[in-house]
Amino acid sequence: QQQVKQSPQSLIVQKGGISIINCAYENTAFDYFPWYQQFPGKGPALLIAIRPDVSEKKEGRFTISFNKSAKQFSLHIMDSQPGDSATYFCAASSAGNKLTFGGGTRVLVKP
Amino acid sequence: GAGVSQSPRYKVAKRGQDVALRCDPISGHVSLFWYQQALGQGPEFLTYFQNEAQLDKSGLPSDRFFAERPEGSVSTLKIQRTQQEDSAVYLCASSSRGVRQAGGEKLFFGSGTQLSVL
Repeated sequence: QQQVKQSPQSLIVQKGGISIINCAYENTAFDYFPWYQQFPGKGPALLIAIRPDVSEKKEGRFTISFNKSAKQFSLHIMDSQPGDSATYFCAASSAGNKLTFGGGTRVLVKP
Repeated sequence: GAGVSQSPRYKVAKRGQDVALRCDPISGHVSLFWYQQALGQGPEFLTYFQNEAQLDKSGLPSDRFFAERPEGSVSTLKIQRTQQEDSAVYLCASSSRGVRQAGGEKLFFGSGTQLSVL
């Protein structure tokens, strides 16, 4: 059972554009929603995270939007740069327990 | 060390061989997780340790998989009688707090061990 569904699987964006990645979850007990960034040959690195008591969180060029009623959350990368080219994973956990990851989105930023 | 260290970086095994994968977490980190990442997929949970206690092994796919963390620091993931379907990247992650503690869900991942079973 895939508890966290992520889309799209891949996207291409021009430098300076906005990348948008969406995730949907099923388990209403989830209370922590992080996004991880992974470069080839490296492990995932925490990018930004949100809890369901807020609808949006922004850190630099990265913003999470959270819709509790729809059980959806998304990552927006503003002013995308070639260095942002990576695979992005959404994830979720409940009560600080193990993370359940989405399937990943490969982002390519063209110069 | 400054980060989570995993060795070997790459491992090629013949089907039926036993393998052992090592993880050195960040010094002092209480929690240690193992994840399996198939090609083009997201990481999938295998097992969790809090100090030396294995509190959750619900993700281990079969009894061929065994993990230990005897002194609450270094951990080893052992796979017996490897099969082709075991080919994946095995990721180790650590956290400074236990699960259900504030900040316990913030994981630091190593670069993984890429296992290829021929």
